[in-house]
Amino acid sequence: AAGVIQSPRHLIKEKRETATLKCYPIPRHDTVYWYQQGPGQDPQFLISFYEKMQSDKGSIPDRFSAQQFSDYHSELNMSSLELGDSALYFCASSGPKETQYFGPGTRLLVL
Amino acid sequence: AQSVSQHNHHVILSEAASLELGCNYSYGGTVNLFWYVQYPGQHLQLLLKYFSGDPLVKGIKGFEAEFIKSKFSFNLRKPSVQWSDTAEYFCALRTGGYNKLIFGAGTRLAVHP
Repeated sequence: AAGVIQSPRHLIKEKRETATLKCYPIPRHDTVYWYQQGPGQDPQFLISFYEKMQSDKGSIPDRFSAQQFSDYHSELNMSSLELGDSALYFCASSGPKETQYFGPGTRLLVL
Repeated sequence: AQSVSQHNHHVILSEAASLELGCNYSYGGTVNLFWYVQYPGQHLQLLLKYFSGDPLVKGIKGFEAEFIKSKFSFNLRKPSVQWSDTAEYFCALRTGGYNKLIFGAGTRLAVHP
């Protein structure tokens, strides 16, 4: 069965640079969620989209923005990167009131 | 605010031992509850979920969990663990169909052969 696809899988950036993470949900899933998992931490919700509209917002810094496109894929844009942004970024997708299925994550390292 | 508490941060067991990981949540309304597993270097995978109905739910790989509403608990169990169960286990709560997941801090399980 098709799963959630994330790209890139690994990303190395310098401080103050920008990064764009992409998420392709499972086909026919209309909701995308972004989570950040710091080293040794539990995943923390950042933001979600339903039918291309932002549906909920968590602890997402103002330096980050995200959107969901007409084909339901989503992008997380991160600017002015800081060392503390180094983490694993997971995308999850779900259908109507269904379980969230997670992608493999993008491991971001900020130097 | 909703929250999830996992009491054991690290658990070490020998193969064939029985496992029970505690999970308690804080929320007064209807909840959906999940257990996810994260193998080393991998993404979160769904073990099992509870939406409604029979409070004893069975998941993959021989895991099961019991929802006890009066205790706000959703403990994960497995009668006999294997070395391959070494992973981190996260309990998660959702308060509505499209809502975000709220995770517990996770329990790191190490199973020795």
